[in-house]
Amino acid sequence: DTEVTQTPKHLVMGMTNKKSLKCEQHMGHRAMYWYKQKAKKPPELMFVYSYEKLSINESVPSRFSPECPNSSLLNLHLHALQPEDSALYLCASSRGGLAGTDTQYFGPGTRLTVL
Amino acid sequence: GENVEQHPSTLSVQEGDSAVIKCTYSDSASNYFPWYKQELGKRPQLIIDIRSNVGEKKDQRIAVTLNKTAKHFSLHITETQPEDSAVYFCAASISGSNNNDMRFGAGTRLTVKP
Repeated sequence: DTEVTQTPKHLVMGMTNKKSLKCEQHMGHRAMYWYKQKAKKPPELMFVYSYEKLSINESVPSRFSPECPNSSLLNLHLHALQPEDSALYLCASSRGGLAGTDTQYFGPGTRLTVL
Repeated sequence: GENVEQHPSTLSVQEGDSAVIKCTYSDSASNYFPWYKQELGKRPQLIIDIRSNVGEKKDQRIAVTLNKTAKHFSLHITETQPEDSAVYFCAASISGSNNNDMRFGAGTRLTVKP
C-alpha cells in the first residue's frame, strides 16, 4: 500500500464549529506532516510529527491542533476557524528518522471552506 | 530556515519542445531536492528527486541537475506533451536527520500547447 488517505475530501464549517481532519498511511512511515495550500501557492508546512512526537510547529495559530494517536494516523482538530483559513489541507508521510531517503508522499487533501 | 526560489513562475512551450525550470536554495546543509507535479485539484506527486552526492539524474524524458557550489538545481523536461501541463514545485530539505523540514519553491505553471 503506497497511499496516504485523507478524510473528508471536502468540509464546509462555520466559524464556531469544531471539526477534525483525518489522515492515514500504512507504509510503515514514522514521519507525518500537515501542510496548508492556498490557491496558486505552494504547500506551507504546519506541523511535523516524527515517531509520534511533534517535532516542528511552524507557529500555527492555536485554533489548529494536531494529534498523532499512533504511527499510522494523524489528525488535525479545527476550532473557531476564520474565513482566511479556507484552503486545501494536505497530509504527507515519509520514512523519517536517520535512515535518510525522506521522500514525502502526499494524500489527496481536504478542501476546507470556512463560512 | 531554508528559502527556495523558483523561476519562471509561468512557462509556455510548444509540444515537442523542452522545458527548463530553475531553483535556488539558501541552506548549504540541504541535501535532498525533490520535484513535484501538481495537476489542478490533485495532490502533489513526486516526479524525480536528487541527493547532494549526485550531480545529475535522469528518468526517461525528465532530468534534474544539481550544482551544490552555486546552490541551484534545475528540472529539464524533453519532448514535452500536453499531459505535462501542470504546476511544478521544487523543494529542498535535510534528509537523514530528525529535522524533516521541507520547503517548497513558489511553483511554475507549465503549459504545453498541442
